[in-house]
Amino acid sequence: EPEVTQTPSHQVTQMGQEVILRCVPISNHLYFYWYRQILGQKVEFLVSFYNNEISEKSEIFDDQFSVERPDGSNFTLKIRSTKLEDSAMYFCASSKGRPEAFFGQGTRLTVV
Amino acid sequence: GQQVMQIPQYQHVQEGEDFTTYCNSSTTLSNIQWYKQRPGGHPVFLIQLVKSGEVKKQKRLTFQFGEAKKNSSLHITATQTTDVGTYFCAGRRQAGTALIFGKGTTLSVSS
Repeated sequence: EPEVTQTPSHQVTQMGQEVILRCVPISNHLYFYWYRQILGQKVEFLVSFYNNEISEKSEIFDDQFSVERPDGSNFTLKIRSTKLEDSAMYFCASSKGRPEAFFGQGTRLTVV
Repeated sequence: GQQVMQIPQYQHVQEGEDFTTYCNSSTTLSNIQWYKQRPGGHPVFLIQLVKSGEVKKQKRLTFQFGEAKKNSSLHITATQTTDVGTYFCAGRRQAGTALIFGKGTTLSVSS
């Protein structure tokens, strides 16, 4: 069964460093999303991406964040100058336009 | 901004008992989805409700969408240990916009 894959599964970075989280959405999907989940908290929407551009973003998704679809298969989330409070599980999701969004296994980001 | 509230935050039941989680939105929703997240896992889509007053069933799970499209519930009949996890509701203001998740209800089941 097709699935959304995310790498790495765990990333540890020093405060102030830049990180890139990578996602490979399901191949025939058109809509891509990034969510984050601080440990034990709810899932929070960051950004949605369609037709090679951001279609919606939340208040959390400020200038520190950017997304890219560099090669037609990967979908990346870049976090510049990471802060301690950026530590969370970051989930990538994709959908075909149908209601069901498929989530990846997540990347646990730890900022130290 | 739009908020989606979910209660209870935690629920422990004995195996075989029923379980219900409730979701309320501060604004009318276009649709609502339910997800299940096992401990250490990722959210897995369960269902979407679109119509006012809609009721859908999946085996022992019953999902309802309120008449005003501002609240929803998930009811599990005769819980099993495999039902353990956190159940999230997630709503959209308009079709195609971002999902706003509730804080989830974490269900634990003892046998």
